[in-house]
Amino acid sequence: GAVVSQHPSWVICKSGTSVKIECRSLDFQATTMFWYRQFPKQSLMLMATSNEGSKATYEQGVEKDKFLINHASLTLSTLTVTSAHPEDSSFYICSARDRLADYSYNEQFFGPGTRLTVL
Amino acid sequence: SQQGEEDPQALSIQEGENATMNCSYKTSINNLQWYRQNSGRGLVHLILIRSNEREKHSGRLRVTLDTSKKSSSLLITASRAADTASYFCATGHDRGSTLGRLYFGRGTQLTVWP
Repeated sequence: GAVVSQHPSWVICKSGTSVKIECRSLDFQATTMFWYRQFPKQSLMLMATSNEGSKATYEQGVEKDKFLINHASLTLSTLTVTSAHPEDSSFYICSARDRLADYSYNEQFFGPGTRLTVL
Repeated sequence: SQQGEEDPQALSIQEGENATMNCSYKTSINNLQWYRQNSGRGLVHLILIRSNEREKHSGRLRVTLDTSKKSSSLLITASRAADTASYFCATGHDRGSTLGRLYFGRGTQLTVWP
């Protein structure tokens, strides 16, 4: 149980285009999902918290107009990198919290990640 | 910063040896979690230890937590080549706007030689 998928697993795009990444909880419902990015050999940096039915909460320094997040259902959150540039190339990872879990203990289930390369 | 800091950044050992990784953090936590990541892949949750716990075991893994020193350690006993990966600690916080979020350290790259 507690499986999170991401699609696509990798994407290559031209500079200036927009890219959408999907994060799905497959066997549980998630009112909260999180988006992280990771540069090579570095840590995961939390970008934003995605809340079902409401606006996402962005971490300091993350441009909300650049990284659009939509959490339209209890099993799907999307991250759209708008007008992507080479510096947006990174590994994007999502995680989800089970709606029925004890929220005081932060247990999150992670997706396999999406490798974005912007040419 | 709320992020944890792992040490060492890199650890290289022989199969059969034990591997110890440490994590320190700065603010109060609700829980601390350890994750494993193989190169270019997603994260695998290893173990969660709550702030009121001091030690936890799972198979060959042993995690300790010392909230007075704001530190945790992950011990992998009898390591195997398949344990080669990056290991991250992540802290979960219980205050206000940070509730529910996880903050990751920079990770320890463990290499186990056969």
